[in-house]
Amino acid sequence: SQQGEEDPQALSIQEGENATMNCSYKTSINNLQWYRQNSGRGLVHLILIRSNEREKHSGRLRVTLDTSKKSSSLLITASRAADTASYFCATETGATNKLIFGTGTLLAVQP
Amino acid sequence: GAGVSQSPSNKVTEKGKDVELRCDPISGHTALYWYRQRLGQGLEFLIYFQGNSAPDKSGLPSDRFSAERTGESVSTLTIQRTQQEDSAVYLCASSLGWGLTGELFFGEGSRLTVL
Repeated sequence: SQQGEEDPQALSIQEGENATMNCSYKTSINNLQWYRQNSGRGLVHLILIRSNEREKHSGRLRVTLDTSKKSSSLLITASRAADTASYFCATETGATNKLIFGTGTLLAVQP
Repeated sequence: GAGVSQSPSNKVTEKGKDVELRCDPISGHTALYWYRQRLGQGLEFLIYFQGNSAPDKSGLPSDRFSAERTGESVSTLTIQRTQQEDSAVYLCASSLGWGLTGELFFGEGSRLTVL
């Protein structure tokens, strides 16, 4: 079963605008990761945030984690057409090394 | 190789036939994962390996699905007596596997179409 669910399912914005995607999950986590997928093929890792961290930055990406609300957000600033892709959150829970992915947000950035 | 390699990239088969999908992980990565992704949907966890052992097979959809890994390297996902609902992209990923999972490195996937 899915651990995480992204919101919204789809998002369309203009180039230069910011894009915010949210992820909610059900059980306590060790870490949460965000991935990007182009064209339904391989995924690329974007950023990892550990359960004891609240915010992390990488270039135009900003990730926040609120463990009390079991939620995370991914902010992409100054979006570009090349940011068009599906974005997934993934969580690792408990003592396993299993990474469970959410349902994804499809982002379309219009030039 | 430099990245995770999967073969075949595309496979079309007839219902009832068996298929084998192969994954070559990044050298030195002890953890290996298989996921299934149906068209327009998220990733469904199938199985993962730590070394040659599979601590968690809970995601395998039925006994028609099996996977093995040898030499802490190559892994094969086998689907017996394929059904049309098996049509999907099968993604393999590997990671260093030390302690917390860390970053997964994905292959480009094997797209399976069952007619």
